[in-house]
Amino acid sequence: NAGVMQNPRHLVRRRGQEARLRCSPMKGHSHVYWYRQLPEEGLKFMVYLQKENIIDESGMPKERFSAEFPKEGPSILRIQQVVRGDSAAYFCASSPMDRGLNTEAFFGQGTRLTVV
Amino acid sequence: QKEVEQDPGPLSVPEGAIVSLNCTYSNSAFQYFMWYRQYSRKGPELLMYTYSSGNKEDGRFTAQVDKSSKYISLFIRDSQPSDSATYLCATSQGGSEKLVFGKGMKLTVNP
Repeated sequence: NAGVMQNPRHLVRRRGQEARLRCSPMKGHSHVYWYRQLPEEGLKFMVYLQKENIIDESGMPKERFSAEFPKEGPSILRIQQVVRGDSAAYFCASSPMDRGLNTEAFFGQGTRLTVV
Repeated sequence: QKEVEQDPGPLSVPEGAIVSLNCTYSNSAFQYFMWYRQYSRKGPELLMYTYSSGNKEDGRFTAQVDKSSKYISLFIRDSQPSDSATYLCATSQGGSEKLVFGKGMKLTVNP
């Protein structure tokens, strides 16, 4: 899973600030998924994107959270006006264009967000 | 009722033991079943996946799915200290890209 690059690995934000999490998928992968892992919880699906398209955002909180995957550059998960409850590990996964099966998804190392 | 239930443990076993990890799920539409291993502070790593019911073996690991009872299992034979990690079960519906995870079971294999 070293092929999916997430940065930063650790991010500290004060309440009310914005957090931007970046994900560069593996080479040749054009499907990106974001998951959130709260302490002592399993991973929860947030959003599934293809290049320039949001395919499924059913797991995204209705407010403050947004995601994009532009034609060029990494996928970005943006959290506006962060609150303490946003503190979690955020994982990105990618899968290849020609299959897009979730069984082919490879995860990055995650970004650990701490809101103080 | 949660879609995927997994006993969070923790589980501690001696080296060489056979380990059994289990999950139950509630949605009959789930068709794909996965097991991920996650080392501390790392991302999940896909261990095995199974489509529908049946068994799948890969080295010391065996995955089982029983759709009639909505029960999925992972067996680890001859467990090693390097197997110490959190194991997460996951499922998805056919055609859906969304994985539904269990909470994860923390396993420690003692030398």
